[in-house]
Amino acid sequence: ELKVEQNPLFLSMQEGKNYTIYCNYSTTSDRLYWYRQDPGKSLESLFVLLSNGAVKQEGRLMASLDTKARLSTLHITAAVHDLSATYFCAVGPNTGNQFYFGTGTSLTVIP
Amino acid sequence: DGGITQSPKYLFRKEGQNVTLSCEQNLNHDAMYWYRQDPGQGLRLIYYSQIVNDFQKGDIAEGYSVSREKKESFPLTVTSAQKNPTAFYLCASRRRTDREVGYTFGSGTRLTVV
Repeated sequence: ELKVEQNPLFLSMQEGKNYTIYCNYSTTSDRLYWYRQDPGKSLESLFVLLSNGAVKQEGRLMASLDTKARLSTLHITAAVHDLSATYFCAVGPNTGNQFYFGTGTSLTVIP
Repeated sequence: DGGITQSPKYLFRKEGQNVTLSCEQNLNHDAMYWYRQDPGQGLRLIYYSQIVNDFQKGDIAEGYSVSREKKESFPLTVTSAQKNPTAFYLCASRRRTDREVGYTFGSGTRLTVV
């Protein structure tokens, strides 16, 4: 069974600081997805990483993928309050067309 | 605009009742999925369907049932056998052949047992 682990689970950071969220997965995959979820809302797609070494950036968020290490990172630069949300990574699809989600990282940005 | 519509947004169930959550998409996606999310936790797969009239159990299918009679629709029934159904339920879809795109999610249904 494919396992996806994120850390940290909870992150409280001050505005203006930088931090990185990590996503490790247990089997080979060359595709990784990052989603954002606001409280009580659905999941919104942030990034799709499709190959080893892929890097995508949108505003203060940058995601990267190292398929050899089975690791993706989501780097936050100069955090602002609007980035407060829960961030999920997901790996797949497998042969059954399933995606496997990490446990999520709940980010709170403090003024 | 195309998208996924889940209804209702909030649903209350009495003990012993079956309830059905609706999921409709007009994206022409062939694969559809149901996930359960408990507070502070990740998503767990309940059922998924890759084509009409076919579906497979996910990791936590006990106490749930689905049907896929039309490509656009994938309703989820929470039966009385599901002992702890209070959760946030998310429906998702994708085109099986499009490997560069992840899921499109619906807005979710929050189910509460009263």
